[in-house]
Amino acid sequence: AQRVTQPEKLLSVFKGAPVELKCNYSYSGSPELFWYVQYSRQRLQLLLRHISRESIKGFTADLNKGETSFHLKKPFAQEEDSAMYYCALRVNAGNNRKLIWGLGTSLAVNP
Amino acid sequence: KAGVTQTPRYLIKTRGQQVTLSCSPISGHRSVSWYQQTPGQGLQFLFEYFSETQRNKGNFPGRFSGRQFSNSRSEMNVSTLELGDSALYLCASHRSGAGEAFFGQGTRLTVV
Repeated sequence: AQRVTQPEKLLSVFKGAPVELKCNYSYSGSPELFWYVQYSRQRLQLLLRHISRESIKGFTADLNKGETSFHLKKPFAQEEDSAMYYCALRVNAGNNRKLIWGLGTSLAVNP
Repeated sequence: KAGVTQTPRYLIKTRGQQVTLSCSPISGHRSVSWYQQTPGQGLQFLFEYFSETQRNKGNFPGRFSGRQFSNSRSEMNVSTLELGDSALYLCASHRSGAGEAFFGQGTRLTVV
């Protein structure tokens, strides 16, 4: 079954602490993974994708096919990182492709 | 470039009524997806349209339907509203199928 699991509904850290938001996936094909973020009162938007292997706002995520994970990490959390984070997996669906979403993790960075 | 526009932003309906929500994608985007977002269930996929055809459908009852017009604008309809349909309904447009999703600000539906 195709599935994305974000085991933590809520993650609370202090400013300056490292943060890791977990994402595990289940997919027999070649995975393409994304992290989306939704700040308070803003639209859900793409944060980063594993293909580009870039760092956005200090966040990185590495695809680990052996552990079927795509955890989002930042070495020093900032208060403005407080938001809802969603992990998404792009899969093939017949002749099409679709996105499978995790339930999201709410990150709270405390001063 | 204008972003994804959803109308209306807020709606209050009573049980049993029906509702139509609208989504205008980014110019040039031909794929539109709809999602229901609730605190308990997160982001749940409703359906996706591409070139006026429904390509994918989530696990929602038949009361939820949608369509896409030739200009790529999309509407979703919910008939016989139930209290549990109260949610934020998000629309996302893609340049092609399952490419980067650009989301609208959503329509907040409250069923009383």
